[in-house]
Amino acid sequence: AQSVTQPDIHITVSEGASLELRCNYSYGATPYLFWYVQSPGQGLQLLLKYFSGDTLVQGIKGFEAEFKRSQSSFNLRKPSVHWSDAAEYFCAVSGYSSASKIIFGSGTRLSIRP
Amino acid sequence: DTGVSQDPRHKITKRGQNVTFRCDPISEHNRLYWYRQTLGQGPEFLTYFQNEAQLEKSRLLSDRFSAERPKGSFSTLEIQRTEQGDSAMYLCASSSDVDNSPLHFGNGTRLTVT
Repeated sequence: AQSVTQPDIHITVSEGASLELRCNYSYGATPYLFWYVQSPGQGLQLLLKYFSGDTLVQGIKGFEAEFKRSQSSFNLRKPSVHWSDAAEYFCAVSGYSSASKIIFGSGTRLSIRP
Repeated sequence: DTGVSQDPRHKITKRGQNVTFRCDPISEHNRLYWYRQTLGQGPEFLTYFQNEAQLEKSRLLSDRFSAERPKGSFSTLEIQRTEQGDSAMYLCASSSDVDNSPLHFGNGTRLTVT
């Protein structure tokens, strides 16, 4: 069965510091991987996605993620965070099917220290 | 593109009452999904429509829950005989027919059962 694990419930980083949010997935075949962000009172917004090809994918707002098949990981990174990045971040996986539902992790809450 | 719209934003109801939520997807999107999100958790898949056909239902969706999409446009999610455990954010998302096209989420309907 598909599953996603985000081991960090809450992370605090200083503004301007680098960020890495961890994500591990379990899926029997080639997964499709996503990172979504949810700000307070806002809907989920897609940051980036990985389907195939280059394992380092670029997303919006300066975020990137790297797919590592050997580690079943898809960690999200940003070289320098801004106060506006404070939000909840969700990693998600779906299968190779046109109607596959997306399975979400439990999320990591990011706080920014001024 | 006005985005995915959900109504109402908030609903407070007494245990045992029935509630109905509405979702208007992005107009050209054929796929519509319902998710439920509780505090501190990621969204959990409930059900999925391709046009008017309900193609998949989660085991989370008890007999008290029913979803419809009668004309392949808007969708409704009804919960009968609400229980306190139904309190959650109910999220609607839509996507196009392109394989693994990203989900576009609405802002959700927050249900509180007292």
